[in-house]
Amino acid sequence: SQQGEEDPQALSIQEGENATMNCSYKTSINNLQWYRQNSGRGLVHLILIRSNEREKHSGRLRVTLDTSKKSSSLLITASRAADTASYFCAFGTDKLIFGTGTRLQVFP
Amino acid sequence: EPEVTQTPSHQVTQMGQEVILRCVPISNHLYFYWYRQILGQKVEFLVSFYNNEISEKSEIFDDQFSVERPDGSNFTLKIRSTKLEDSAMYFCASSGDLSGNTIYFGEGSWLTVV
Repeated sequence: SQQGEEDPQALSIQEGENATMNCSYKTSINNLQWYRQNSGRGLVHLILIRSNEREKHSGRLRVTLDTSKKSSSLLITASRAADTASYFCAFGTDKLIFGTGTRLQVFP
Repeated sequence: EPEVTQTPSHQVTQMGQEVILRCVPISNHLYFYWYRQILGQKVEFLVSFYNNEISEKSEIFDDQFSVERPDGSNFTLKIRSTKLEDSAMYFCASSGDLSGNTIYFGEGSWLTVV
C-alpha cells in the first residue's frame, strides 16, 4: 500500500508541552506536506518540505525529513489548546496520498 | 491568502438522486482535485484534473462520478445516482503545478445520503 502511516494515532498533552508526530511512507517522494484538520472541517496546509531538505521551520512548527528512512516528523512546540486537531502527512506528485493521521488533544 | 471555496457546505440527498458539488479553485492554479473522507476515516484521492481532462482517477471514481470545469472558474463533481456509502466529506483542492507546490484544500462539502 502507498498509504502513509502515522504514529501515534492519538496524543494527549498539556498546554505548553511539545507534541511530536511521525509519518512513514513507502514510495519515493518529491516533497511531503503536513496538514491540520479540526473536527469536521477542512484540511489546512501547514508546511511543505522538499526531498532535498532535512528540516524546515514555520513558527512553532518544525518538520524533519529523512528520505533514507522514508520518514518525517512534525514537532509542535509550546502547544496550545487551539492546536487540538488531527494532523496528517501527505505525499505524492500528481496526487496526494494521506497518512492515517494523529489526533492531538491539548488540555488547558 | 487565496483560498479554495466549496458549495454547498452540507447537502442531504435521497439515495438515487444526482448531486453536484461545486468548487472554485484558486484563480491561477492549473491542477484540480477531488478527495473524500468518510467520517472517521482517512482522506482518499478521487480524481485529478488538468488541461480540461482527467489526469488520474482512483477506483472509487467509478462511472457514477464525473468532473467538469464548465467555465474558467468552477470545478464540479457530479455523483449521478447517490448511494448510502457515498456519504462523506468531499474536498476540492488545487495547486499551481506538480513540481512541489502546495496543494490547497477547500473547507469541504458534507454529503449525507439517506
